[in-house]
Amino acid sequence: GENVEQHPSTLSVQEGDSAVIKCTYSDSASNYFPWYKQELGKRPQLIIDIRSNVGEKKDQRIAVTLNKTAKHFSLHITETQPEDSAVYFCAAVPPAAYKLSFGAGTTVTVRA
Amino acid sequence: DTAVSQTPKYLVTQMGNDKSIKCEQNLGHDTMYWYKQDSKKFLKIMFSYNNKELIINETVPNRFSPKSPDKAHLNLHINSLELGDSAVYFCASTQTGLASKQYFGPGTRLTVT
Repeated sequence: GENVEQHPSTLSVQEGDSAVIKCTYSDSASNYFPWYKQELGKRPQLIIDIRSNVGEKKDQRIAVTLNKTAKHFSLHITETQPEDSAVYFCAAVPPAAYKLSFGAGTTVTVRA
Repeated sequence: DTAVSQTPKYLVTQMGNDKSIKCEQNLGHDTMYWYKQDSKKFLKIMFSYNNKELIINETVPNRFSPKSPDKAHLNLHINSLELGDSAVYFCASTQTGLASKQYFGPGTRLTVT
């Protein structure tokens, strides 16, 4: 099955700086890569996703890049704000798969 | 107009007891999931139902038994609760069951003493 590794496990950034989280996946057939954000005590929520026919996708201050050759994808958060503090999960999904293979999560702390 | 709801939100019980968690979604989705999130925050999938049919059954003790009476409901019954069952349990649903956005419920924090 698909195996997703996520780094770093914790990330502390100064407000206004950028944050980058990287994930690698094992199944070269995977074609869908969502990112979920989970604030403290809340449910995970989808913040951005990318499919394998696209190399990059942006939504305001967040962007995701995908390198299919190297089998890795990254989440970029620019101009970080205190409300960006949360646990972020990446996931990879092979075709016709019914489940998401989640990474272990990255706890992001934005320092004021 | 909550999309995915779970009851109860908190559950404190003693070892050896039997308890149930209920989940309902009003999104018209076909597929529902149960996840377990332990203290290390890892989201571990447990079960998935598609149109009331069990399609994913990960390595979960037999003490855990899911039931889907209809597409909108997925319940989780746990027998003989153990300390290690303490975690947050999330229900989720997706429209097609394949690669699409998952909507999570608010979670049920289970504490076994």
